[in-house]
Amino acid sequence: GAGVSQSPSNKVTEKGKDVELRCDPISGHTALYWYRQSLGQGLEFLIYFQGNSAPDKSGLPSDRFSAERTGGSVSTLTIQRTQQEDSAVYLCASSLADRGREQFFGPGTRLTVL
Amino acid sequence: AQKVTQAQTEISVVEKEDVTLDCVYETRDTTYYLFWYKQPPSGELVFLIRRNSFDEQNEISGRYSWNFQKSTSSFNFTITASQVVDSAVYFCALRETGANNLFFGTGTRLTVIP
Repeated sequence: GAGVSQSPSNKVTEKGKDVELRCDPISGHTALYWYRQSLGQGLEFLIYFQGNSAPDKSGLPSDRFSAERTGGSVSTLTIQRTQQEDSAVYLCASSLADRGREQFFGPGTRLTVL
Repeated sequence: AQKVTQAQTEISVVEKEDVTLDCVYETRDTTYYLFWYKQPPSGELVFLIRRNSFDEQNEISGRYSWNFQKSTSSFNFTITASQVVDSAVYFCALRETGANNLFFGTGTRLTVIP
């Protein structure tokens, strides 16, 4: 079956603009995660969705970051008023509900803020 | 606090050599999960293995093998008869029972020289 897909694959934006990153999880996976990978910080957790439960937003670095998941499937990560330090690869992953299950990652969106 | 240490930042081996990637973790939980992921130059994180804390049996999958030792809090990964296609960054990750996310080590970049 299809894996996790993300769009766009690359995004270049100017400082101060808003961006939206999209993630389509694997069908049937109720858990969805966003991570950020940058040179200085490695792989950082951002946010977690599980079914209809309230998301775990504990990893979001500032209130400029938000995410939603519509219909328990597609998720959008929004970064408002982008800063240069937001430049990174944003990775989405999905898994079955059990917390111990492996997460399957998408190809990522490379965000560059000029 | 949970912590994953991959002390080897970069390793280079000649093709057909065996190589072991080290992973040491810290957690106060008695139940937890350990993972290895591969990130080839294409960038997508590829799941390799999951191990729960109650299963210390070593595992072999083709040229890959994993050695989990709770006594030393280590979960090492060995590639036998390395191949050029094994060149990638390898991440070890930990998920505690109550956590929603994976906590990643900083990764080991493996280069296999033909």
